[in-house]
Amino acid sequence: ETGVTQTPRHLVMGMTNKKSLKCEQHLGHNAMYWYKQSAKKPLELMFVYSLEERVENNSVPSRFSPECPNSSHLFLHLHTLQPEDSALYLCASSQEWDRVGNYGYTFGSGTRLTVV
Amino acid sequence: GENVEQHPSTLSVQEGDSAVIKCTYSDSASNYFPWYKQELGKRPQLIIDIRSNVGEKKDQRIAVTLNKTAKHFSLHITETQPEDSAVYFCAAPSFGNEKLTFGTGTRLTIIP
Repeated sequence: ETGVTQTPRHLVMGMTNKKSLKCEQHLGHNAMYWYKQSAKKPLELMFVYSLEERVENNSVPSRFSPECPNSSHLFLHLHTLQPEDSALYLCASSQEWDRVGNYGYTFGSGTRLTVV
Repeated sequence: GENVEQHPSTLSVQEGDSAVIKCTYSDSASNYFPWYKQELGKRPQLIIDIRSNVGEKKDQRIAVTLNKTAKHFSLHITETQPEDSAVYFCAAPSFGNEKLTFGTGTRLTIIP
Protein backbone atom coordinates (compact mmCIF):
# COMPACT_ATOMS: atom_id res chain seq x y z
CA GLU A 1 0.00 0.00 0.00
CA THR A 2 1.09 3.53 -0.74
CA GLY A 3 -0.29 5.23 2.36
CA VAL A 4 -3.40 6.39 0.49
CA THR A 5 -6.25 3.88 0.69
CA GLN A 6 -9.48 4.06 -1.28
CA THR A 7 -12.64 2.04 -0.74
CA PRO A 8 -14.46 0.42 -2.34
CA ARG A 9 -12.24 -0.67 -5.25
CA HIS A 10 -15.25 -1.32 -7.46
CA LEU A 11 -18.78 0.06 -7.28
CA VAL A 12 -21.84 -0.52 -9.45
CA MET A 13 -24.80 1.74 -8.76
CA GLY A 14 -28.10 2.64 -10.30
CA MET A 15 -28.94 6.18 -11.27
CA THR A 16 -31.28 6.62 -8.29
CA ASN A 17 -28.85 5.26 -5.69
CA LYS A 18 -26.80 7.15 -3.12
CA LYS A 19 -23.30 5.92 -2.38
CA SER A 20 -20.05 7.27 -0.98
CA LEU A 21 -16.40 6.82 -1.89
CA LYS A 22 -13.83 6.93 0.87
CA CYS A 23 -10.19 7.96 0.87
CA GLU A 24 -7.81 7.71 3.81
CA GLN A 25 -4.19 8.78 4.09
CA HIS A 26 -1.74 8.18 6.94
CA LEU A 27 1.16 10.15 5.50
CA GLY A 28 0.67 13.30 7.53
CA HIS A 29 -0.28 15.22 4.39
CA ASN A 30 -2.52 18.24 4.67
CA ALA A 31 -3.96 18.45 1.16
CA MET A 32 -6.26 15.96 -0.53
CA TYR A 33 -7.70 15.79 -4.03
CA TRP A 34 -10.36 14.01 -6.04
CA TYR A 35 -9.61 13.27 -9.71
CA LYS A 36 -11.82 11.65 -12.32
CA GLN A 37 -10.11 9.44 -14.88
CA SER A 38 -11.95 8.49 -18.06
CA ALA A 39 -11.06 7.76 -21.65
CA LYS A 40 -12.08 11.30 -22.70
CA LYS A 41 -10.20 13.20 -19.98
CA PRO A 42 -7.43 11.12 -18.49
CA LEU A 43 -6.88 13.04 -15.23
CA GLU A 44 -9.52 15.65 -14.51
CA LEU A 45 -9.37 17.56 -11.22
CA MET A 46 -12.67 17.66 -9.30
CA PHE A 47 -11.96 18.98 -5.80
CA VAL A 48 -9.06 20.25 -3.71
CA TYR A 49 -9.07 20.28 0.08
CA SER A 50 -6.45 21.98 2.20
CA LEU A 51 -6.49 21.53 5.96
CA GLU A 52 -10.06 20.25 5.71
CA GLU A 53 -11.29 23.29 3.81
CA ARG A 54 -12.33 23.14 0.20
CA VAL A 55 -10.05 25.43 -1.79
CA GLU A 56 -11.24 24.53 -5.26
CA ASN A 57 -14.32 23.12 -6.90
CA ASN A 58 -13.59 22.59 -10.55
CA SER A 59 -17.14 23.21 -11.87
CA VAL A 60 -18.27 19.75 -10.82
CA PRO A 61 -22.03 18.92 -10.98
CA SER A 62 -23.83 19.02 -7.66
CA ARG A 63 -24.58 15.28 -7.84
CA PHE A 64 -20.99 14.94 -6.57
CA SER A 65 -20.61 16.18 -3.00
CA PRO A 66 -17.22 16.07 -1.24
CA GLU A 67 -16.62 15.95 2.49
CA CYS A 68 -13.38 16.27 4.41
CA PRO A 69 -14.00 15.74 8.14
CA ASN A 70 -10.29 15.80 9.01
CA SER A 71 -6.94 15.95 7.27
CA SER A 72 -6.74 12.14 6.97
CA HIS A 73 -10.12 11.41 5.44
CA LEU A 74 -11.89 12.48 2.29
CA PHE A 75 -15.26 11.35 1.00
CA LEU A 76 -17.11 11.76 -2.27
CA HIS A 77 -20.87 11.41 -1.88
CA LEU A 78 -22.72 10.38 -5.02
CA HIS A 79 -26.41 10.70 -5.83
CA THR A 80 -28.55 10.53 -8.97
CA LEU A 81 -25.54 9.90 -11.17
CA GLN A 82 -25.61 9.49 -14.94
CA PRO A 83 -24.06 6.71 -17.03
CA GLU A 84 -21.45 9.19 -18.29
CA ASP A 85 -20.19 9.49 -14.70
CA SER A 86 -18.80 5.97 -14.98
CA ALA A 87 -15.04 6.31 -14.53
CA LEU A 88 -12.10 5.64 -12.24
CA TYR A 89 -12.14 8.06 -9.29
CA LEU A 90 -8.69 8.70 -7.87
CA CYS A 91 -7.84 10.27 -4.56
CA ALA A 92 -4.45 11.92 -4.03
CA SER A 93 -2.70 13.67 -1.18
CA SER A 94 0.16 16.14 -0.96
CA GLN A 95 2.47 17.02 1.89
CA GLU A 96 1.79 20.76 1.85
CA TRP A 97 -1.14 22.19 -0.06
CA ASP A 98 0.53 25.36 -1.24
CA ARG A 99 3.78 23.66 -2.12
CA VAL A 100 2.71 20.84 -4.37
CA GLY A 101 5.54 21.98 -6.57
CA ASN A 102 7.91 20.80 -3.86
CA TYR A 103 6.32 17.49 -3.02
CA GLY A 104 4.00 16.24 -5.75
CA TYR A 105 1.19 13.77 -5.13
CA THR A 106 0.67 10.29 -3.76
CA PHE A 107 -2.29 8.58 -5.41
CA GLY A 108 -4.65 5.95 -4.09
CA SER A 109 -5.57 2.92 -6.17
CA GLY A 110 -8.92 4.38 -7.19
CA THR A 111 -12.55 3.32 -7.21
CA ARG A 112 -13.87 1.97 -10.48
CA LEU A 113 -17.43 3.30 -10.67
CA THR A 114 -20.05 1.97 -13.07
CA VAL A 115 -23.43 3.70 -13.27
CA VAL A 116 -26.21 1.58 -14.74
CA GLY B 1 -4.03 28.53 -15.20
CA GLU B 2 -1.48 26.02 -16.36
CA ASN B 3 -1.94 24.24 -19.71
CA VAL B 4 0.03 21.05 -20.28
CA GLU B 5 0.21 19.34 -23.65
CA GLN B 6 1.68 15.87 -24.11
CA HIS B 7 2.78 14.00 -27.25
CA PRO B 8 2.48 11.43 -28.63
CA SER B 9 -0.74 9.91 -27.34
CA THR B 10 0.43 6.41 -28.27
CA LEU B 11 3.93 5.05 -28.83
CA SER B 12 5.10 1.58 -29.80
CA VAL B 13 8.75 0.74 -29.40
CA GLN B 14 10.76 -2.43 -30.05
CA GLU B 15 12.17 -3.95 -26.88
CA GLY B 16 15.65 -2.61 -26.26
CA ASP B 17 15.08 0.62 -28.17
CA SER B 18 14.55 4.05 -26.60
CA ALA B 19 11.28 5.90 -26.03
CA VAL B 20 10.80 9.66 -25.76
CA ILE B 21 7.67 11.46 -24.56
CA LYS B 22 7.40 15.24 -24.73
CA CYS B 23 5.37 17.81 -22.82
CA THR B 24 4.96 21.56 -23.07
CA TYR B 25 3.61 23.89 -20.39
CA SER B 26 2.32 27.43 -20.41
CA ASP B 27 3.07 28.96 -16.99
CA SER B 28 6.63 30.27 -16.90
CA ALA B 29 6.45 30.34 -13.09
CA SER B 30 6.17 26.54 -12.90
CA ASN B 31 9.22 25.03 -11.24
CA TYR B 32 8.50 21.32 -10.70
CA PHE B 33 7.80 18.70 -13.35
CA PRO B 34 6.91 15.14 -12.34
CA TRP B 35 6.27 12.09 -14.47
CA TYR B 36 3.81 9.39 -13.42
CA LYS B 37 3.50 5.84 -14.71
CA GLN B 38 0.16 4.06 -14.60
CA GLU B 39 0.09 0.36 -15.33
CA LEU B 40 -3.16 -1.27 -16.37
CA GLY B 41 -5.62 -1.32 -13.48
CA LYS B 42 -3.23 0.40 -11.09
CA ARG B 43 -2.73 3.85 -9.61
CA PRO B 44 -0.43 6.49 -11.10
CA GLN B 45 3.03 6.30 -9.50
CA LEU B 46 5.74 8.94 -9.52
CA ILE B 47 8.77 7.65 -11.42
CA ILE B 48 10.92 10.74 -11.76
CA ASP B 49 10.69 14.49 -11.33
CA ILE B 50 12.81 17.53 -12.09
CA ARG B 51 13.03 21.01 -10.66
CA SER B 52 13.69 24.14 -12.60
CA ASN B 53 17.22 24.64 -11.29
CA VAL B 54 18.56 21.69 -13.34
CA GLY B 55 18.35 20.77 -17.00
CA GLU B 56 18.54 16.98 -16.73
CA LYS B 57 18.04 14.23 -14.19
CA LYS B 58 18.72 10.52 -14.59
CA ASP B 59 17.66 7.45 -12.64
CA GLN B 60 19.00 4.25 -14.19
CA ARG B 61 17.18 3.81 -17.54
CA ILE B 62 14.94 6.84 -17.04
CA ALA B 63 15.88 10.46 -17.62
CA VAL B 64 14.03 13.75 -17.79
CA THR B 65 15.24 16.89 -19.57
CA LEU B 66 13.91 20.40 -19.07
CA ASN B 67 14.14 23.43 -21.33
CA LYS B 68 12.73 26.38 -19.37
CA THR B 69 13.22 28.85 -22.19
CA ALA B 70 11.11 26.81 -24.57
CA LYS B 71 8.84 25.58 -21.74
CA HIS B 72 9.07 21.93 -22.54
CA PHE B 73 10.30 18.80 -20.78
CA SER B 74 10.76 15.24 -21.95
CA LEU B 75 10.90 11.71 -20.54
CA HIS B 76 13.52 9.38 -21.98
CA ILE B 77 13.47 5.63 -21.39
CA THR B 78 16.46 3.68 -22.68
CA GLU B 79 16.86 -0.08 -23.20
CA THR B 80 13.09 -0.51 -22.95
CA GLN B 81 11.65 -3.67 -21.40
CA PRO B 82 8.15 -5.21 -21.51
CA GLU B 83 7.43 -3.95 -17.99
CA ASP B 84 7.81 -0.39 -19.27
CA SER B 85 4.47 -0.81 -21.07
CA ALA B 86 2.03 1.59 -19.36
CA VAL B 87 0.43 5.01 -19.64
CA TYR B 88 2.76 7.87 -18.76
CA PHE B 89 1.57 11.28 -17.56
CA CYS B 90 3.52 14.50 -17.28
CA ALA B 91 2.41 17.30 -14.96
CA ALA B 92 3.19 20.83 -13.88
CA PRO B 93 1.98 22.89 -10.90
CA SER B 94 -0.52 25.68 -11.35
CA PHE B 95 0.43 29.28 -10.71
CA GLY B 96 -0.85 29.10 -7.13
CA ASN B 97 1.16 25.90 -6.65
CA GLU B 98 -1.73 24.14 -4.94
CA LYS B 99 -2.48 21.55 -7.62
CA LEU B 100 -0.93 19.68 -10.51
CA THR B 101 -2.20 19.93 -14.07
CA PHE B 102 -1.66 16.72 -16.01
CA GLY B 103 -1.02 16.01 -19.66
CA THR B 104 -3.39 13.74 -21.53
CA GLY B 105 -1.12 10.72 -21.23
CA THR B 106 0.97 8.54 -23.54
CA ARG B 107 0.22 4.86 -23.93
CA LEU B 108 3.61 3.19 -24.36
CA THR B 109 3.72 -0.35 -25.73
CA ILE B 110 6.96 -2.30 -25.78
CA ILE B 111 7.02 -4.90 -28.54
CA PRO B 112 8.96 -8.05 -27.55
